[in-house]
Amino acid sequence: AQSVSQHNHHVILSEAASLELGCNYSYGGTVNLFWYVQYPGQHLQLLLKYFSGDPLVKGIKGFEAEFIKSKFSFNLRKPSVQWSDTAEYFCAVNGGAQKLVFGQGTRLTINP
Amino acid sequence: KAGVTQTPRYLIKTRGQQVTLSCSPISGHRSVSWYQQTPGQGLQFLFEYFSETQRNKGNFPGRFSGRQFSNSRSEMNVSTLELGDSALYLCASSSQGQGGTGELFFGEGSRLTVL
Repeated sequence: AQSVSQHNHHVILSEAASLELGCNYSYGGTVNLFWYVQYPGQHLQLLLKYFSGDPLVKGIKGFEAEFIKSKFSFNLRKPSVQWSDTAEYFCAVNGGAQKLVFGQGTRLTINP
Repeated sequence: KAGVTQTPRYLIKTRGQQVTLSCSPISGHRSVSWYQQTPGQGLQFLFEYFSETQRNKGNFPGRFSGRQFSNSRSEMNVSTLELGDSALYLCASSSQGQGGTGELFFGEGSRLTVL
C-alpha cells in the first residue's frame, strides 16, 4: 500500500536558519508529489507540487523541494526561515491508488 | 470565488450518537474528498466523490459513510460514535479529482468532540 513518512514530528529553529524537512514515500510507479502547509488557525493550502520535469520545484514563500526518485524522497527546503513560517507541513503522494496519501505532518516552530 | 465551506465548524456529541457533516465545494469542482485529521496520525483519507459517485474509499469502518448531491455538495455521516472519532474532519474539493495532478482545496474543517 502507498505510504508517506515524515521523519521529523516537531522541528524548532531560530529565524534565518536553514530548513530541510524530510519526506519519503513507498510506491514504485509514477507519482505526483505535494507539500501542503497549515498555518495556525487556517486551512491547509498548497505550498508546491511536482509531477514531471525538473526535479527541483519552487513554491510559494521561498520554499523549494527536490524529488530524488532513487531515494523515494521529496524533501522540503528553505534557505532562511522567518517567524511567519511557523506552521504544520504535510507531504502528500498520489500514486497508483488514485488517492492523495498524506504523511503524519511536521510541526515547525520558528523562534524570533 | 468562494472557497470550500464546511458546516458545522464545531460540534460535541456523546458516544452512540450519530453526526452529519456538510461540505460545499468551490463552484465548478466536481470532486469532493474527506479526510480525518488527528494529532500524530496526520490526515487519513476517508473517501472521494466525483459526480455523485464514490470513486475511492479509505480504510475506515462502515460507520463512516458519505454522499454527494447533484450540485456537488457532499455530506459525511458517522453513526454510533466512539471516543476515537474525535477529530478534525476536512473536506477538499478539486476539479480533476484525486487521481490528477491538480491541487486539492481544503475547507477549515469540522471539529468533532465525542464525550
